[in-house]
Amino acid sequence: AAGVIQSPRHLIKEKRETATLKCYPIPRHDTVYWYQQGPGQDPQFLISFYEKMQSDKGSIPDRFSAQQFSDYHSELNMSSLELGDSALYFCASRIRFQYPPEAFFGQGTRLTVV
Amino acid sequence: AQRVTQPEKLLSVFKGAPVELKCNYSYSGSPELFWYVQYSRQRLQLLLRHISRESIKGFTADLNKGETSFHLKKPFAQEEDSAMYYCALSLGDSGNTPLVFGKGTRLSVIA
Repeated sequence: AAGVIQSPRHLIKEKRETATLKCYPIPRHDTVYWYQQGPGQDPQFLISFYEKMQSDKGSIPDRFSAQQFSDYHSELNMSSLELGDSALYFCASRIRFQYPPEAFFGQGTRLTVV
Repeated sequence: AQRVTQPEKLLSVFKGAPVELKCNYSYSGSPELFWYVQYSRQRLQLLLRHISRESIKGFTADLNKGETSFHLKKPFAQEEDSAMYYCALSLGDSGNTPLVFGKGTRLSVIA
């Protein structure tokens, strides 16, 4: 079965550079979430989208932005990267209003800022 | 604000021993509670959810609203159970609410 696909799997960037992470949800899933998981930390919610509109915002820095496109894939754009941005970035997708609620996660993109 | 607390960062048990991973939550309404598991180098995946009242891989979890707990239990731990376990909460509105995770407990099952 198709799962949530994230690209790239690994990314190394230098401080002050920009990065774009991509998430391809499971087909027919209309909602996408982004999470950041620092080393030894729990996943922290960043932002979510439903039907291409931002629906919820968590602890996403102003240097980051995200959007969901017409094919429901989502991109997380990160600018002026800092060493502290090094983390595993998870994307999850689900069908809104499906009960019981269940989110499916991608394998994550590991970003290392040097 | 909703919060999920997993008091143990690491839990080591011998194979065949019982396991209990603790989870407490704070939310005044009726949340949905989940346990997610992350095996080494793999993605987060759903283990079980309280409304299903199911047993997955021998694990069970009962929602105790009085104690606001959702502890994960297994009577006999296996080596393949070694992983990170995250307790997560979602508002019970069947809408778009993101999951709130606890900090996770690493379970290590020793042969």
